[in-house]
Amino acid sequence: ETGVTQSPTHLIKTRGQQVTLRCSSQSGHNTVSWYQQALGQGPQFIFQYYREEENGRGNFPPRFSGLQFPNYSSELNVNALELDDSALYLCASSLTTGAYEQYFGPGTRLTVT
Amino acid sequence: TQLLEQSPQFLSIQEGENLTVYCNSSSVFSSLQWYRQEPGEGPVLLVTVVTGGEVKKLKRLTFQFGDARKDSSLHITAAQPGDTGLYLCAGDYLSGSARQLTFGSGTQLTVLP
Repeated sequence: ETGVTQSPTHLIKTRGQQVTLRCSSQSGHNTVSWYQQALGQGPQFIFQYYREEENGRGNFPPRFSGLQFPNYSSELNVNALELDDSALYLCASSLTTGAYEQYFGPGTRLTVT
Repeated sequence: TQLLEQSPQFLSIQEGENLTVYCNSSSVFSSLQWYRQEPGEGPVLLVTVVTGGEVKKLKRLTFQFGDARKDSSLHITAAQPGDTGLYLCAGDYLSGSARQLTFGSGTQLTVLP
């Protein structure tokens, strides 16, 4: 059974640029959630995708957007990058939208300079 | 907004000692999960507690969910250096059909040999 994978591992971008992060969910899981973890803090919920549609959103601006594909993999897109966007971006998959457990990938470390 | 306060923020103990980490909120959660996170990696799920008053044991780790489902504790008996890591509690609640996790800020545990 393959766990949650994310790419790339690390990324350095300049303020104002755009970035796309990718996530493959665990086998059999149809729901993907994205979290932002700033240094020294717990993860914060960005949004969740289920059946290729956004199924819930945290307190993040519209420049954070996402996609889910028919194979349940997902992308997180961030436009007009700001310095405060520097963080570890985590993807978590769950069996379905109502499942309690979420399983996290290793994350993508984004640095904005 | 659902908030979780986790304490202590940092804990440094000697091998063989016992410790307790607390997770408190004014909000009621559908379930509460505990994760452990190593540097540069995603959180790894340790346990999910669902019922008020529930107690779960995982080897030397004991997890308890408060009767009112607003708080939880993690107790480690005879800590070992391998227990070192960031421990995160996360409260789960339904927003529409999406299960969202609200994380505490974490407890950084260091067990000295």
